[in-house]
Amino acid sequence: NAGVTQTPKFQVLKTGQSMTLQCAQDMNHEYMSWYRQDPGMGLRLIHYSVGAGITDQGEVPNGYNVSRSTTEDFPLRLLSAAPSQTSVYFCASSPQSGQGYPYGYTFGSGTRLTVV
Amino acid sequence: AQSVTQPDIHITVSEGASLELRCNYSYGATPYLFWYVQSPGQGLQLLLKYFSGDTLVQGIKGFEAEFKRSQSSFNLRKPSVHWSDAAEYFCATNDMRFGAGTRLTVKP
Repeated sequence: NAGVTQTPKFQVLKTGQSMTLQCAQDMNHEYMSWYRQDPGMGLRLIHYSVGAGITDQGEVPNGYNVSRSTTEDFPLRLLSAAPSQTSVYFCASSPQSGQGYPYGYTFGSGTRLTVV
Repeated sequence: AQSVTQPDIHITVSEGASLELRCNYSYGATPYLFWYVQSPGQGLQLLLKYFSGDTLVQGIKGFEAEFKRSQSSFNLRKPSVHWSDAAEYFCATNDMRFGAGTRLTVKP
């Protein structure tokens, strides 16, 4: 049981490049979410999904796209990287409670992205 | 939308001393509330959660938290801190929003 797996762990991009951060979970969780972590700002929700084919925006969605074609995978795409997207990115998954909310997240180990 | 506030950016306690980390929430109905811990260079790990019922919840690593509706608080406590508890702690709500975090330093 690997939990939540994120790749790559580190990435350096040039401004304007695109890339995809990969996230996979093997726990059959309904919820999957992407967060970015910046010093002093905690974690901010980028996009989330409550199941295959269903995605929605979080607090800071601009510049990012997601899709969820399977329960297991939830990739995050940076369309045209900007220095403001330099951050640590975390993917997380959670079972869904009876009330429809996340029941408690399992986090991946993160991707440290630098845009120069 | 819900929000959570962690008033303390950084707390230092001596090893063996008690610990209380503060979390205040704003939400009309009864929220789900969570505490997570992040060790340096790691992802976050769920410590405990509150959904309903008993307002004192027990978590992993000897932590507990108490939900107080009258104070809109969900403070995290530990009776005796160990050096390995040095980390950053985050409070979160069921709408997936996190507080800014409290960094805990443990003095020998």
